Amino acid sequence: DGGITQSPKYLFRKEGQNVTLSCEQNLNHDAMYWYRQDPGQGLRLIYYSQIVNDFQKGDIAEGYSVSREKKESFPLTVTSAQKNPTAFYLCASSIIGLKDNTGELFFGEGSRLTVL
Amino acid sequence: DAKTTQPPSMDCAEGRAANLPCNHSTISGNEYVYWYRQIHSQGPQYIIHGLKNNETNEMASLIITEDRKSSTLILPHATLRDTAVYYCIVRVALYGNKLVFGAGTILRVKS
Repeated sequence: DGGITQSPKYLFRKEGQNVTLSCEQNLNHDAMYWYRQDPGQGLRLIYYSQIVNDFQKGDIAEGYSVSREKKESFPLTVTSAQKNPTAFYLCASSIIGLKDNTGELFFGEGSRLTVL
Repeated sequence: DAKTTQPPSMDCAEGRAANLPCNHSTISGNEYVYWYRQIHSQGPQYIIHGLKNNETNEMASLIITEDRKSSTLILPHATLRDTAVYYCIVRVALYGNKLVFGAGTILRVKS
Protein backbone atom coordinates (compact mmCIF):
# COMPACT_ATOMS: atom_id res chain seq x y z
CA ASP A 1 0.00 0.00 0.00
CA GLY A 2 1.10 3.57 -0.63
CA GLY A 3 1.96 5.72 2.33
CA ILE A 4 4.54 7.45 4.45
CA THR A 5 6.92 5.53 6.65
CA GLN A 6 8.74 7.14 9.54
CA SER A 7 11.47 5.46 11.53
CA PRO A 8 12.28 4.86 14.23
CA LYS A 9 8.98 5.11 16.09
CA TYR A 10 10.78 5.69 19.40
CA LEU A 11 14.29 7.02 19.87
CA PHE A 12 16.34 7.80 22.96
CA ARG A 13 19.53 9.85 22.77
CA LYS A 14 21.95 11.50 25.10
CA GLU A 15 22.14 15.27 25.23
CA GLY A 16 24.59 16.69 22.70
CA GLN A 17 24.19 13.91 20.14
CA ASN A 18 22.84 14.49 16.65
CA VAL A 19 20.02 12.20 15.58
CA THR A 20 18.48 11.59 12.18
CA LEU A 21 14.83 10.70 11.68
CA SER A 22 13.86 8.92 8.49
CA CYS A 23 10.84 9.71 6.32
CA GLU A 24 10.07 7.78 3.13
CA GLN A 25 7.00 8.04 0.89
CA ASN A 26 5.86 6.00 -2.09
CA LEU A 27 2.95 8.24 -3.03
CA ASN A 28 4.93 10.04 -5.74
CA HIS A 29 4.27 13.33 -3.97
CA ASP A 30 6.43 16.31 -4.79
CA ALA A 31 6.18 18.09 -1.43
CA MET A 32 7.33 16.82 1.93
CA TYR A 33 7.22 18.40 5.39
CA TRP A 34 8.47 18.01 8.92
CA TYR A 35 6.42 19.10 11.91
CA ARG A 36 7.16 19.07 15.61
CA GLN A 37 4.52 18.52 18.28
CA ASP A 38 4.93 19.15 22.00
CA PRO A 39 2.48 17.80 24.61
CA GLY A 40 -0.93 19.49 24.47
CA GLN A 41 0.03 21.68 21.54
CA GLY A 42 -0.59 21.80 17.82
CA LEU A 43 1.96 21.04 15.12
CA ARG A 44 4.71 23.49 14.21
CA LEU A 45 6.44 23.44 10.84
CA ILE A 46 10.18 22.81 10.88
CA TYR A 47 11.15 22.45 7.20
CA TYR A 48 9.42 21.70 3.94
CA SER A 49 10.49 20.78 0.43
CA GLN A 50 8.58 21.14 -2.80
CA ILE A 51 11.19 19.67 -5.14
CA VAL A 52 14.30 17.52 -5.01
CA ASN A 53 17.44 19.35 -3.87
CA ASP A 54 15.46 22.30 -2.55
CA PHE A 55 13.86 23.03 0.83
CA GLN A 56 12.67 25.96 2.90
CA LYS A 57 12.72 26.77 6.58
CA GLY A 58 9.48 26.65 8.48
CA ASP A 59 8.65 28.46 11.68
CA ILE A 60 11.08 26.62 13.99
CA ALA A 61 14.03 25.53 11.81
CA GLU A 62 16.81 26.47 14.25
CA GLY A 63 18.71 23.41 15.44
CA TYR A 64 17.44 21.19 12.63
CA SER A 65 18.70 20.26 9.18
CA VAL A 66 17.19 18.37 6.25
CA SER A 67 18.13 17.04 2.83
CA ARG A 68 16.06 16.09 -0.21
CA GLU A 69 18.33 14.07 -2.49
CA LYS A 70 15.52 11.82 -3.65
CA LYS A 71 11.84 12.51 -4.22
CA GLU A 72 10.88 9.67 -1.90
CA SER A 73 13.04 10.65 1.06
CA PHE A 74 13.22 13.65 3.40
CA PRO A 75 15.35 12.87 6.47
CA LEU A 76 15.46 15.26 9.42
CA THR A 77 18.55 15.70 11.59
CA VAL A 78 18.07 17.04 15.08
CA THR A 79 21.38 18.65 15.92
CA SER A 80 22.97 19.34 19.28
CA ALA A 81 22.10 23.02 18.71
CA GLN A 82 18.41 22.28 19.24
CA LYS A 83 17.85 23.29 22.86
CA ASN A 84 14.71 21.26 23.58
CA PRO A 85 14.70 18.33 21.16
CA THR A 86 12.42 16.01 23.12
CA ALA A 87 9.18 15.97 21.11
CA PHE A 88 6.95 14.06 18.71
CA TYR A 89 8.06 14.53 15.09
CA LEU A 90 5.70 14.12 12.16
CA CYS A 91 6.51 13.87 8.49
CA ALA A 92 3.95 14.60 5.78
CA SER A 93 3.69 14.77 2.00
CA SER A 94 1.34 16.27 -0.55
CA ILE A 95 0.70 16.82 -4.24
CA ILE A 96 1.71 20.09 -5.83
CA GLY A 97 -0.20 21.52 -8.75
CA LEU A 98 -3.83 21.78 -9.68
CA LYS A 99 -4.58 18.37 -11.15
CA ASP A 100 -6.32 16.03 -8.66
CA ASN A 101 -5.19 18.25 -5.82
CA THR A 102 -7.45 18.48 -2.76
CA GLY A 103 -4.67 20.13 -0.77
CA GLU A 104 -4.58 17.18 1.60
CA LEU A 105 -1.46 16.42 3.58
CA PHE A 106 -0.71 12.76 4.24
CA PHE A 107 1.04 12.14 7.54
CA GLY A 108 3.27 9.38 8.81
CA GLU A 109 2.78 7.78 12.22
CA GLY A 110 5.43 9.92 13.87
CA SER A 111 8.73 9.48 15.69
CA ARG A 112 8.97 10.17 19.40
CA LEU A 113 12.40 11.47 20.37
CA THR A 114 13.47 11.59 24.01
CA VAL A 115 16.75 13.21 24.94
CA LEU A 116 18.11 12.05 28.27
CA ASP B 1 -2.99 32.36 6.54
CA ALA B 2 -5.97 33.35 8.69
CA LYS B 3 -6.04 32.27 12.31
CA THR B 4 -8.78 30.12 13.76
CA THR B 5 -10.39 29.90 17.17
CA GLN B 6 -11.75 26.63 18.54
CA PRO B 7 -13.03 25.62 21.98
CA PRO B 8 -10.35 23.68 23.86
CA SER B 9 -12.59 20.69 24.59
CA MET B 10 -16.03 19.21 24.06
CA ASP B 11 -17.92 16.14 25.18
CA CYS B 12 -20.40 14.14 23.13
CA ALA B 13 -22.54 11.10 23.90
CA GLU B 14 -21.92 8.04 21.77
CA GLY B 15 -24.38 7.81 18.89
CA ARG B 16 -25.23 11.50 18.99
CA ALA B 17 -24.07 14.15 16.55
CA ALA B 18 -20.87 15.98 17.45
CA ASN B 19 -20.84 19.62 16.31
CA LEU B 20 -17.41 21.23 16.45
CA PRO B 21 -17.33 24.99 15.90
CA CYS B 22 -14.53 27.09 14.43
CA ASN B 23 -14.24 30.85 14.11
CA HIS B 24 -12.15 32.31 11.29
CA SER B 25 -13.32 35.90 11.17
CA THR B 26 -10.30 37.16 9.19
CA ILE B 27 -10.58 34.58 6.41
CA SER B 28 -9.86 35.86 2.93
CA GLY B 29 -11.92 35.13 -0.16
CA ASN B 30 -9.41 32.65 -1.54
CA GLU B 31 -8.81 30.72 1.68
CA TYR B 32 -10.18 27.23 2.17
CA VAL B 33 -11.34 25.73 5.47
CA TYR B 34 -9.76 22.37 6.31
CA TRP B 35 -10.45 19.94 9.13
CA TYR B 36 -8.02 17.32 10.37
CA ARG B 37 -8.13 15.10 13.40
CA GLN B 38 -5.40 13.47 15.44
CA ILE B 39 -5.90 10.39 17.53
CA HIS B 40 -3.45 10.12 20.39
CA SER B 41 0.15 9.50 19.30
CA GLN B 42 -0.72 9.20 15.62
CA GLY B 43 -0.31 11.48 12.63
CA PRO B 44 -3.20 13.84 11.78
CA GLN B 45 -5.84 12.55 9.38
CA TYR B 46 -7.61 14.68 6.79
CA ILE B 47 -11.38 14.86 7.26
CA ILE B 48 -12.87 17.40 4.87
CA HIS B 49 -12.39 20.83 3.35
CA GLY B 50 -14.51 23.55 1.71
CA LEU B 51 -14.48 27.04 0.28
CA LYS B 52 -18.02 28.44 0.33
CA ASN B 53 -20.50 25.63 -0.04
CA ASN B 54 -21.37 23.03 2.55
CA GLU B 55 -19.56 19.75 2.01
CA THR B 56 -20.25 16.16 3.01
CA ASN B 57 -18.22 12.99 2.73
CA GLU B 58 -18.26 9.57 4.35
CA MET B 59 -16.67 10.90 7.52
CA ALA B 60 -18.35 14.22 8.21
CA SER B 61 -20.19 17.31 7.04
CA LEU B 62 -18.80 20.83 6.90
CA ILE B 63 -21.15 23.77 7.28
CA ILE B 64 -19.69 27.18 6.38
CA THR B 65 -21.65 30.32 7.21
CA GLU B 66 -22.60 32.62 4.39
CA ASP B 67 -20.11 35.29 5.48
CA ARG B 68 -17.46 32.53 5.85
CA LYS B 69 -16.41 33.82 9.25
CA SER B 70 -17.18 30.53 10.97
CA SER B 71 -17.78 26.88 10.25
CA THR B 72 -18.98 23.73 11.97
CA LEU B 73 -17.74 20.19 11.53
CA ILE B 74 -20.48 17.64 12.11
CA LEU B 75 -19.85 13.99 12.93
CA PRO B 76 -23.38 12.64 12.52
CA HIS B 77 -23.17 9.59 14.78
CA ALA B 78 -20.15 9.86 17.03
CA THR B 79 -18.45 6.68 18.20
CA LEU B 80 -15.82 6.11 20.88
CA ARG B 81 -13.23 5.91 18.10
CA ASP B 82 -13.98 9.53 17.18
CA THR B 83 -12.33 10.68 20.42
CA ALA B 84 -9.46 12.82 19.14
CA VAL B 85 -8.11 16.34 18.74
CA TYR B 86 -9.83 18.14 15.87
CA TYR B 87 -8.01 20.93 14.05
CA CYS B 88 -9.67 23.64 11.99
CA ILE B 89 -7.25 25.27 9.55
CA VAL B 90 -7.65 27.93 6.89
CA ARG B 91 -5.16 28.46 4.11
CA VAL B 92 -4.78 29.91 0.65
CA ALA B 93 -5.54 27.74 -2.35
CA LEU B 94 -5.03 24.03 -2.63
CA TYR B 95 -1.36 23.89 -3.26
CA GLY B 96 -0.02 26.53 -0.90
CA ASN B 97 0.54 23.48 1.19
CA LYS B 98 1.72 25.08 4.39
CA LEU B 99 -0.69 24.07 7.13
CA VAL B 100 -0.64 26.07 10.35
CA PHE B 101 -2.08 24.03 13.22
CA GLY B 102 -3.56 25.61 16.31
CA ALA B 103 -4.24 23.75 19.56
CA GLY B 104 -7.50 22.28 18.23
CA THR B 105 -10.52 20.91 20.11
CA ILE B 106 -10.28 17.76 22.20
CA LEU B 107 -13.48 15.82 21.51
CA ARG B 108 -14.34 13.17 24.09
CA VAL B 109 -17.05 10.73 23.03
CA LYS B 110 -18.57 9.02 26.06
CA SER B 111 -20.69 5.90 26.30
